[in-house]
Amino acid sequence: GESVGLHLPTLSVQEGDNSIINCAYSNSASDYFIWYKQESGKGPQFIIDIRSNMDKRQGQRVTVLLNKTVKHLSLQIAATQPGDSAVYFCAYLAYNDYKLSFGAGTTVTVRA
Amino acid sequence: DADVTQTPRNRITKTGKRIMLECSQTKGHDRMYWYRQDPGLGLQLIYYSFDVKDINKGEISDGYSVSRQAQAKFSLSLESAIPNQTALYFCATSDPGQGRNEQFFGPGTRLTVL
Repeated sequence: GESVGLHLPTLSVQEGDNSIINCAYSNSASDYFIWYKQESGKGPQFIIDIRSNMDKRQGQRVTVLLNKTVKHLSLQIAATQPGDSAVYFCAYLAYNDYKLSFGAGTTVTVRA
Repeated sequence: DADVTQTPRNRITKTGKRIMLECSQTKGHDRMYWYRQDPGLGLQLIYYSFDVKDINKGEISDGYSVSRQAQAKFSLSLESAIPNQTALYFCATSDPGQGRNEQFFGPGTRLTVL
């Protein structure tokens, strides 16, 4: 079955630096991958998604990269800000039934 | 964002008690979901519903039941709560008909079973 996991549970970043959060997956027949941000005391919020037929997608200050050869997904945050401190989850979406499978999450802490 | 609301936000109960968690949404979405989050872990799907007449089990449905009373309401019940059901519970909605894969999450209910 599908499994979605993250490489590191925590990441400490200096304010203004770029952040890179990684995720590995096992199922090569995936359709969509999604990154969510969860701030303390809140539910997850959608950041960006990418289809399996794409390698890269950019949003506002965020870029998602998909390497299907090594089954690796990453989220890059440019010029990290204190408001970026949160837990970040990658998730797999099966297009035919829209059920999300979540990884364990990476806690990002931004140092002033 | 108050489009997806959950009640109660916090609940402490005892082993063996029946508990109901409520979820309401004003987004007009047909699809609703219940997830559980344990400390340091991602979200696990408990149940999901693609419309009022459709209920499906997720990864961890044992010990839980749901009711989809209307398009806007999706309730999660623990018939006889046990301590290992202590967790954060999230409700979510989605509308893939708009071509988006995003699920919108409520603020969560923190449940403690003593």
